[in-house]
Amino acid sequence: EIVLTQSPGTLSLSPGERATLSCRASQSASSSSLAWFQQKPGQAPRLLIYGTSSRATGVPDRFSGSGSGADFTLTISRLEPEDFAVYYCQQYSSSFWTFGQGTKVEVK
Amino acid sequence: QVQLVESGGGVVQPGRSLRLSCAASGFSFSLYSMHWVRQAPGKGLEWVAFIWYDGSRKYYADSVRGRFTLSRDNSENALYLQMNSLRADDTAVYYCARDWNSGVFDYWGQGTLVTVSS
Repeated sequence: EIVLTQSPGTLSLSPGERATLSCRASQSASSSSLAWFQQKPGQAPRLLIYGTSSRATGVPDRFSGSGSGADFTLTISRLEPEDFAVYYCQQYSSSFWTFGQGTKVEVK
Repeated sequence: QVQLVESGGGVVQPGRSLRLSCAASGFSFSLYSMHWVRQAPGKGLEWVAFIWYDGSRKYYADSVRGRFTLSRDNSENALYLQMNSLRADDTAVYYCARDWNSGVFDYWGQGTLVTVSS
């Protein structure tokens, strides 16, 4: 079972700033099986990125994903007010799906 | 448009059973595999179970294996989660999610809350 560790736990930033979120896997993960989700209070998660770097339908291009091996990154180039939320990475391996514990992006 | 609507949540005593349903619409349900994911209050996301598009294969998280059973009725566009021997740590919002491209959760329902308490 691959364990995903996200850092930092909380990121305090201002609108317009750049956000860099990290997701580290306990062992090398397939790049095709790494995804990122955004979740706002009281809402279901929303798929942002799949296959490490592909944006889901309707996701603004300020969101980008990168990485390989055991280290993956979600970058939000310029934070908009609606981007303050919790972000989860997720991977699939051997019929088992795991999520990171989440990074909260809050207004500084 | 794709819609997933969960139902069946509620308050149940420890050791009792509950059956969740997920009604799908807006896509060819019989062509897609499906998942259940849960989220305890104030906590992160936990994958629970997965069922192939035709129901032929099912996988479960260690925390629910042997207690939860996943099934589907493609003629009714419905997904079910039978939860037995419920424990306090099963308390969570349960989401059904569509699987796209072998492992991507591309659409989610709004969730249904299960509270296990005496």
